[in-house]
Amino acid sequence: GQNIDQPTEMTATEGAIVQINCTYQTSGFNGLFWYQQHAGEAPTFLSYNVLDGLEEKGRFSSFLSRSKGYSYLLLKELQMKDSASYLCAVLDSNYQLIWGAGTKLIIKP
Amino acid sequence: GAVVSQHPSWVICKSGTSVKIECRSLDFQATTMFWYRQFPKQSLMLMATSNEGSKATYEQGVEKDKFLINHASLTLSTLTVTSAHPEDSSFYICSARGGLAAESQYFGPGTRLTVL
Repeated sequence: GQNIDQPTEMTATEGAIVQINCTYQTSGFNGLFWYQQHAGEAPTFLSYNVLDGLEEKGRFSSFLSRSKGYSYLLLKELQMKDSASYLCAVLDSNYQLIWGAGTKLIIKP
Repeated sequence: GAVVSQHPSWVICKSGTSVKIECRSLDFQATTMFWYRQFPKQSLMLMATSNEGSKATYEQGVEKDKFLINHASLTLSTLTVTSAHPEDSSFYICSARGGLAAESQYFGPGTRLTVL
């Protein structure tokens, strides 16, 4: 079966750094996405990794290791507005997105 | 670029009525559109995938006669919830693929459906 695992909830402090991990087992791999979703809103695209390594985009970075079936999203200089759910999703061999359950990130002052 | 709109943003209807939700790709041609449903505090659940001009492919457990999908053009897909019941109350989100990066999906803002 296809499976994506990420922690259910994480808490971090404003100004700090947090890493959200995602492990996956899917039938084929055509890339991994990270999305941010605030409560009551649709997901918004954060990053796309298809090759191994680190992709940096401002305060957010995403890392991928295909051999380990592993990715992480790194958020630096946390702000209160970063409180949201972060969804990991893998594009499988049929180009279907397989979604993780999401990680709810709580930022405390 | 890569903007997807949804209409309406929210709708309240009586049990037994039908509701149509529109999803439009505003600045690109969407070869594929996806319809998701999300219940509170749960992740996205894919309902169906539609390609322009062909019948939608429904996920297991999704009633195709209840959730009618029409992908009439490369910029428009509609989801009609027929004979809606309170258990259909949910957040419905569409996404479209075919923009700058073919692998990327761009999400609409979602439609909050409440069935009384």
